[in-house]
Amino acid sequence: DAMVIQNPRYQVTQFGKPVTLSCSQTLNHNVMYWYQQKSSQAPKLLFHYYDKDFNNEADTPDNFQSRRPNTSFCFLDIRSPGLGDAAMYLCATSREYAAKEQYFGPGTRLTVT
Amino acid sequence: GQQVMQIPQYQHVQEGEDFTTYCNSSTTLSNIQWYKQRPGGHPVFLIQLVKSGEVKKQKRLTFQFGEAKKNSSLHITATQTTDVGTYFCAGPRDSNYQLIWGAGTKLIIKP
Repeated sequence: DAMVIQNPRYQVTQFGKPVTLSCSQTLNHNVMYWYQQKSSQAPKLLFHYYDKDFNNEADTPDNFQSRRPNTSFCFLDIRSPGLGDAAMYLCATSREYAAKEQYFGPGTRLTVT
Repeated sequence: GQQVMQIPQYQHVQEGEDFTTYCNSSTTLSNIQWYKQRPGGHPVFLIQLVKSGEVKKQKRLTFQFGEAKKNSSLHITATQTTDVGTYFCAGPRDSNYQLIWGAGTKLIIKP
């Protein structure tokens, strides 16, 4: 089945130790998104790609970076995780911009110790 | 800035009772989307409304988009345990078409 896959599902990292989360999609969608979601809150958009065109949200910390080497894969790099970065990280895709629905992966739960 | 407000934050209902969540935008929206997130799960797209005054139904779920395209509601008739979760509305931002999300309404079924 076509889908959005995230690995790992759970990630534990130490304070300040770089971590990379990965996302892949078989939907062949142009747009890929990274969201951060904390408990009982709405997803917060960090950045998105339209094809290889990268778009950063104004309030996304510099600590967060992203790479999209090809249509199918997208990575989220957290250079120096702090305790406040512990959250669920959701990858999503859409065929086009927000005029169309987004398809979410299962998420990666990040714990920072 | 552009905002999407959603109320209530929580709603406790007995199984079989109805549930409604309301969404209100500070600006006119080109469309509004609704997502459901089960506990421990990820958001799942339910529906998109595009036309002024549009009403769509999915079994026991009824979605409405206001005439001014600034508000929307989701009504669930006769809730079941499978309806438990958080319901989010989201609309495109004027500046870059990315979704602005409401805060969500958590549906809790009383034991």
